Amino acid sequence: DFVMTQSPLSLPVTPGEPASISCRSSQSLLHSSGYNYLSWYLQKPGQSPHLLIYLGSTRASGVPDRFSGSGSGTDFTLKISRVEAEDVGTYYCMQALHSPITFGQGTRLEIE
Amino acid sequence: EVQVVESGGGLVRPGGSLRLSCAGSGFYFGNSWMGWVRRGPGKGLEYVANINGDGSETGYADSVRGRFTISRDNAQNSLFLQMNSLGVEDMAIYYCATAQSAAFDNWGQGVLVTVSS
Repeated sequence: DFVMTQSPLSLPVTPGEPASISCRSSQSLLHSSGYNYLSWYLQKPGQSPHLLIYLGSTRASGVPDRFSGSGSGTDFTLKISRVEAEDVGTYYCMQALHSPITFGQGTRLEIE
Repeated sequence: EVQVVESGGGLVRPGGSLRLSCAGSGFYFGNSWMGWVRRGPGKGLEYVANINGDGSETGYADSVRGRFTISRDNAQNSLFLQMNSLGVEDMAIYYCATAQSAAFDNWGQGVLVTVSS
């Protein structure tokens, strides 16, 4: 079965410090177009999820440039260069290359 | 401004049925892939189903295939999710979203489905 694995599942961070979340897939997410079908989402407490990164590394409209996505194939990373209090919530990766679409388990970021 | 607004949630008994609707505005609805994603209590996000612009292609999570049906009415800019044989495991907030570039890019506020006797 296809599996998406995020780590860590819980991430305490001091404001102003960097943070990094890993997402690993059991099969390559590299499409024949050359793009990775991997996206990142943030669901803040009490809100709907919103898109941060798509196609592995492209920031969605309005997303601050402190967020960046990298990786290819089966290993991907979401980095926040300097965490702010408003970044609290649960982060998810999602693959859309293999049917059915699959989300990672989620990483809960909390401010120390 | 792109907007998607869900409706139709509520309380249903185990084994019952419910139909969710999603109204889209601010974009060319008939040209857009759309999908449903849910988040159950204490759980993470779970893909439910998606559909292409003209309704000819659909996809489902294994957990709902055969029980749920996604459909759309482009004339009414509306997306639907018919849910049958509901169980407690289907209790969740259901989100409608537009899909573009292999991602769900615009999400609604969500609608709550409660399954209880």
